[in-house]
Amino acid sequence: GAGVSQSPRYKVTKRGQDVTLRCDPISSHATLYWYQQALGQGPEFLTYFNYEAQPDKSGLPSDRFSAERPEGSISTLTIQRTEQRDSAMYRCASSLGPHTDTQYFGPGTRLTVL
Amino acid sequence: DAKTTQPNSMESNEEEPVHLPCNHSTISGTDYIHWYRQLPSQGPEYVIHGLTSNVNNRMASLAIAEDRKSSTLILHRATLRDAAVYYCILRTSGGGADGLTFGKGTHLIIQP
Repeated sequence: GAGVSQSPRYKVTKRGQDVTLRCDPISSHATLYWYQQALGQGPEFLTYFNYEAQPDKSGLPSDRFSAERPEGSISTLTIQRTEQRDSAMYRCASSLGPHTDTQYFGPGTRLTVL
Repeated sequence: DAKTTQPNSMESNEEEPVHLPCNHSTISGTDYIHWYRQLPSQGPEYVIHGLTSNVNNRMASLAIAEDRKSSTLILHRATLRDAAVYYCILRTSGGGADGLTFGKGTHLIIQP
């Protein structure tokens, strides 16, 4: 695709519900990243994939957070048993490869947990 | 991980040059210096990066100190559209964790 796309753009859910966010990276990009951005703060790294491999999960806040990229393209981020503190913008980015290549960011999904 | 230090905010006038400083005194030899910016209500976007030599592109210039402990992002002629949060980020060239560490960045205000 022309750029990184994310869906939904906005998600409102009730505490305790599960949510799944989707990221569609630039088609030629091997590496995909997930970030969480609280209001007024910079994005914080959650996890990343090289194709379908997930070398680093160190930024995931708890075991309620998980991500998949089963075919090395589209990725999903799932938050189980959502809590109010999970309310944030979730941003996806992709790059040609890891480490030093430019990351291209999507528009984000604004998650609100009531 | 090597950290960066930036001023919280800076203000400049439209059509004047802007120099955004960044200190990274614990930088290692394999760390590249990257700059991203985030316009209001948008995702971050890449601006420029370098290793040792000064770099220029259509958006900005990056001046890197000889000892690499600091760098300066230069916007040659700021416009209102350059109002954003600017992040100075170190990325190692191979191995280890790979996510960008954004920090707080510098909030650049452009006055018309």
